[in-house]
Amino acid sequence: GEDVEQSLFLSVREGDSSVINCTYTDSSSTYLYWYKQEPGAGLQLLTYIFSNMDMKQDQRLTVLLNKKDKHLSLRIADTQTGDSAIYFCAEVLPGTYKYIFGTGTRLKVLA
Amino acid sequence: NAGVTQTPKFQVLKTGQSMTLQCAQDMNHNSMYWYRQDPGMGLRLIYYSASEGTTDKGEVPNGYNVSRLNKREFSLRLESAAPSQTSVYFCASTRSSGGLSQETQYFGPGTRLLVL
Repeated sequence: GEDVEQSLFLSVREGDSSVINCTYTDSSSTYLYWYKQEPGAGLQLLTYIFSNMDMKQDQRLTVLLNKKDKHLSLRIADTQTGDSAIYFCAEVLPGTYKYIFGTGTRLKVLA
Repeated sequence: NAGVTQTPKFQVLKTGQSMTLQCAQDMNHNSMYWYRQDPGMGLRLIYYSASEGTTDKGEVPNGYNVSRLNKREFSLRLESAAPSQTSVYFCASTRSSGGLSQETQYFGPGTRLLVL
């Protein structure tokens, strides 16, 4: 079935790296996404990766994709208090308009 | 551009009451979506509309109806609200393409609904 799994919570100290993990189910997904949700707001796209890539780097963000294990991760370098939010991974099923979101990981950054 | 707007921001209903959540986008997007967000369950798709004039059920459509009034607007109606529908509701839109190219979903700020 369609299911995208994430751990619910992560706590890190300011300045450390954060790694948020996600396991998705549909190996035919062409694009995988990371969204950020700040308190009281909607989701905003952080970054995405195409399925033929293993890694994508965008400033402090690094996305790693392991297609064999259907595992996606988001690394945030030098984590700041402003990074505290809920992070969602998502896949979109090709040929459909359905985006499947994970449960979200709440990142708490301790000063 | 305002992006995706939703009204109201907050609403309290009694069990059995009805209401319509409004959503509009000004980006000329073809596809629009309604999600609900519950703690520990992430976002669940209620309904989506791939284009003007079409609507399809998502993962949790029971108790809801939708209407794609025109290309800009996609409303969600609760005919007889139940406490299980207490949630945060998000509307989203994408340009189109059905997952065949990189597409960002743009989200509204959400409607917080409490059903007593």
